[in-house]
Amino acid sequence: DAKTTQPTSMDCAEGRAANLPCNHSTISGNEYVYWYRQIHSQGPQYIIHGLKNNETNEMASLIITEDRKSSTLILPHATLRDTAVYYCIVRVAFGNEKLTFGTGTRLTIIP
Amino acid sequence: DSGVTQTPKHLITATGQRVTLRCSPRSGDLSVYWYQQSLDQGLQFLIQYYNGEERAKGNILERFSAQQFPDLHSELNLSSLELGDSALYFCASSVVPGGGLGDTQYFGPGTRLTVL
Repeated sequence: DAKTTQPTSMDCAEGRAANLPCNHSTISGNEYVYWYRQIHSQGPQYIIHGLKNNETNEMASLIITEDRKSSTLILPHATLRDTAVYYCIVRVAFGNEKLTFGTGTRLTIIP
Repeated sequence: DSGVTQTPKHLITATGQRVTLRCSPRSGDLSVYWYQQSLDQGLQFLIQYYNGEERAKGNILERFSAQQFPDLHSELNLSSLELGDSALYFCASSVVPGGGLGDTQYFGPGTRLTVL
């Protein structure tokens, strides 16, 4: 699986959009970008994933650059409950099912 | 709530002991994964089962073993426990392994193991 690079930490004001970047410059054509978050010591929570098109669900939007070398997770209206560690994971769609977690980005929402 | 359940929530035991962690996957999910999260190693994949059969192994110690039962619940057995085994142990499940949209993994709340 391709390696990802994320900022160690970020702050965002409550009510504003939180934009979390992820670099995955060695991504292959058959690799998806997944985002999970972990609030304190709870189980990781699935947020969203995509291959090359932008994706949106009730939690977030995922913007993947045209060359697929980077992506941005957008939480449109951050709340205090969004304070968590966010993991960007690149993963082959077939044949390698495990998730390889890096160190992630610690997002703190400021009141 | 992901639909994945894990018991117990907390477990405190002594070195040299053996414990069993239990995981019930989401209804309809056939694949179960175990992960360990320690302070110094982060979240690491241990082992995966699919429909009762072992499918993939990660950084799982020989003192650790797992199985998936016919009702699809899984157990992770940890023996000859050492201080360094203290960690959070998470179970995840997916509908199918390794393919398309159905393989998104959903995690349980975890079991916190403390070895004294």
